[in-house]
Amino acid sequence: QSALTQPASVSGSPGQSITISCTGTSSDVGDFNHVSWYQQHPGKAPKLIIYDVTDRPSGVSHRFSGSKSGNTASLTISGLQAEDEADYYCTSFTSSSTLVFGGGTKLTVL
Amino acid sequence: QVQLVQSGAEVKKPGSSVKVSCKASGDTFNNYAISWVRQAPGQGLEWMGGIIPIFGTGKYAPKFQGRVTIIADKSTSTAYMELRSLRSEDTAVYYCARNYNWNFFGMDVWGQGTTVTVSS
Repeated sequence: QSALTQPASVSGSPGQSITISCTGTSSDVGDFNHVSWYQQHPGKAPKLIIYDVTDRPSGVSHRFSGSKSGNTASLTISGLQAEDEADYYCTSFTSSSTLVFGGGTKLTVL
Repeated sequence: QVQLVQSGAEVKKPGSSVKVSCKASGDTFNNYAISWVRQAPGQGLEWMGGIIPIFGTGKYAPKFQGRVTIIADKSTSTAYMELRSLRSEDTAVYYCARNYNWNFFGMDVWGQGTTVTVSS
């Protein structure tokens, strides 16, 4: 069970859009529509922002959206705001009935 | 609205064990899987394992298999995570989290975290 692959860092200016990728295998991301995304600010617990690839929990901004193609899932944040600066993690359910995290991506808002 | 409240910080010696509790309130405990996730200082999140209370058996990440035990007490809506043979690399914040469904599909409610420090 290897960690899902995410870019270590991404950056964007306020108002722009950015996309974070999350690459797995046919035993996790590619085989299940149970990919979630989390936002974590320093010293805080993670917050679920996307689940089941595309769904947003109640209260999460519409600026966050998710998608999947093959073994790669993606998180897009549109209209970047300063408060979006945080670490972002993906997870996927696996064929072993376990959960696996991505390595995390640090988003910097320039 | 469900809340997860974890036990307090722990300081342990190498080779010892730690047991962290996670009490749920405000919703039905049995209907959701509970996961345990840890985060070492400056590092990413790592899924350790979890339990589906209605089934009662734990499921563990390969890395932790044999060294961790996760149980659930349905009568008190409390989950426990015990990690044995502690080493310095186990120093981390340990979170319990509720999965948004009956299986380990993803986590929508998180505990406040428990800091475990392993030091001689």
